[in-house]
Amino acid sequence: GEDVEQSLFLSVREGDSSVINCTYTDSSSTYLYWYKQEPGAGLQLLTYIFSNMDMKQDQRLTVLLNKKDKHLSLRIADTQTGDSAIYFCAESRNDMRFGAGTRLTVKP
Amino acid sequence: DVKVTQSSRYLVKRTGEKVFLECVQDMDHENMFWYRQDPGLGLRLIYFSYDVKMKEKGDIPEGYSVSREKKERFSLILESASTNQTSMYLCASRRSGGGYTFGSGTRLTVV
Repeated sequence: GEDVEQSLFLSVREGDSSVINCTYTDSSSTYLYWYKQEPGAGLQLLTYIFSNMDMKQDQRLTVLLNKKDKHLSLRIADTQTGDSAIYFCAESRNDMRFGAGTRLTVKP
Repeated sequence: DVKVTQSSRYLVKRTGEKVFLECVQDMDHENMFWYRQDPGLGLRLIYFSYDVKMKEKGDIPEGYSVSREKKERFSLILESASTNQTSMYLCASRRSGGGYTFGSGTRLTVV
């Protein structure tokens, strides 16, 4: 089965909050990451959280980690049209395992 | 500004051709990776390298090989391209224990 799972699509209105969810399987992961991919580009690191933390906030981004349930989420406050992209969740052990990516569409 | 550079953004090759995808990083990173990205499948690891002249198979190495003769360069080789290798290829590098830096990707079409 998949190591990292995400839903494939999310659509929100401009100004609303977006919440992108992710589940992973390996409890020994030391870091969990969120990457953003804009059309035609590579992946850009957005934020990451160490596995002994349960929350990290960085401006409009909030990452929540529930280690017991192996659940990670990314909340984007006041979502803008420029936030439209594919968001990848990833867990890190010796290498990095990615989810399939969630395509966020922001409607005006 | 640190960088991972992939030599081509777009490539079109014929079935059966030998294809080289080049990746260069200027961060003196030990680790380098090749992924392919397909819709609905996310990123799948093809090969990675922990050091010069070292290589390890990822999840989907069949039909690919790699070369790492110098620390800064990691090449992905398709020995005989097939249409099912049409994909977006992403190279990444990292210092041991650190986060990944990705290149912009090479979109390969095999006809």
